[in-house]
Amino acid sequence: DTAVSQTPKYLVTQMGNDKSIKCEQNLGHDTMYWYKQDSKKFLKIMFSYNNKELIINETVPNRFSPKSPDKAHLNLHINSLELGDSAVYFCASSQDSTSGSIWAYEQYFGPGTRLTVT
Amino acid sequence: AQSVTQPDIHITVSEGASLELRCNYSYGATPYLFWYVQSPGQGLQLLLKYFSGDTLVQGIKGFEAEFKRSQSSFNLRKPSVHWSDAAEYFCAVAYSGGGADGLTFGKGTHLIIQP
Repeated sequence: DTAVSQTPKYLVTQMGNDKSIKCEQNLGHDTMYWYKQDSKKFLKIMFSYNNKELIINETVPNRFSPKSPDKAHLNLHINSLELGDSAVYFCASSQDSTSGSIWAYEQYFGPGTRLTVT
Repeated sequence: AQSVTQPDIHITVSEGASLELRCNYSYGATPYLFWYVQSPGQGLQLLLKYFSGDTLVQGIKGFEAEFKRSQSSFNLRKPSVHWSDAAEYFCAVAYSGGGADGLTFGKGTHLIIQP
């Protein structure tokens, strides 16, 4: 069984379009994250959600809007796509990040979504 | 701000030889340290982690890492590499109390295995 899954795996679209990436985890975790991996493979956190509530927004343009319908899902919607948005986007999850437990720091990653904007 | 440095962008090792990948983190309170591996076209897989206690930690696939507080380092080692170890390796850090701040990653080390 896949622990953290993302769809689609590949996404090719044109500038100006709006697209969504979906993420689901079946680990029973309370916290979910979105990371962006740029062309140089540098990984940076974008958002984190705990029990459907936004916790962290790391100065990401407001064209990016995460949505968490329930604690097992965290989707990423991107409006007005730009060339610079081309990257691999990773979803991750962990135990409740507000619990104080050290296990909340252990994150499990999805397979990634490679977004190409032309 | 917390940071992670992986000084080696690329490392080439012969199959069967030993491996050490370097990682240094910026000074902070209690660091929690991780090594992840990313095979080509794949997601990130957790190799091992350090929270506290024994400074030598064992992970999956025969990897180990040693935490040295005095050197702010968490180097990854493997006694004998296999061709399937060719991948990108990322060191990451979080700090106690950071919660959902997420992990701070190094820029990765690309491991090439020579036959």
